[in-house]
Amino acid sequence: EPEVTQTPSHQVTQMGQEVILRCVPISNHLYFYWYRQILGQKVEFLVSFYNNEISEKSEIFDDQFSVERPDGSNFTLKIRSTKLEDSAMYFCASRKRTSGQETQYFGPGTRLLVL
Amino acid sequence: KNEVEQSPQNLTAQEGEFITINCSYSVGISALHWLQQHPGGGIVSLFMLSSGKKKHGRLIATINIQEKHSSLHITASHPRDSAVYICAAPATIIQGAQKLVFGQGTRLTINP
Repeated sequence: EPEVTQTPSHQVTQMGQEVILRCVPISNHLYFYWYRQILGQKVEFLVSFYNNEISEKSEIFDDQFSVERPDGSNFTLKIRSTKLEDSAMYFCASRKRTSGQETQYFGPGTRLLVL
Repeated sequence: KNEVEQSPQNLTAQEGEFITINCSYSVGISALHWLQQHPGGGIVSLFMLSSGKKKHGRLIATINIQEKHSSLHITASHPRDSAVYICAAPATIIQGAQKLVFGQGTRLTINP
């Protein structure tokens, strides 16, 4: 069964460094999402992406964050200058249809630790 | 904006017991998701349901759209069911990006 993949599974970085988290959504899916979960807290929405542009973003998704679909298969989340509070599990998700209800398929997550 | 609440937050049971986890949400929606988060952190989608009941193996999910309430049941629970179970609902009833709002999760531990 097709699945969403994410790399790396774990990343440790120094505060102020740039990180890029990578996701490969399911191939015929059209909507893509990034969510994050700070340890002990709820999963929260960061951004959704459709038709090569951001369709919605949360208050968390400030100028330090950006997303890109550079080659039609990868979907990346870049954090330009990481902060300690960016330490979290980051999940990519994808969905097939553009309207109506459809299951979102989640990747296994990237655990980011900012020191 | 939708608010999603789950109960209980923690649940410990003996192998074989029938498990119920509840979820309520504040904004009328057309569907709700149940997810399972493994100890390693990965998330798996269990169900998306918009009415009535869905069953997959020993897992049963029900939803009452009018009462804004859903339940996840596990029959004949097993230690391998130990995980965090999360319900998630679309943030609004408006069609579109369908970002999800998540409950805080229910940590289930099944003892042998």
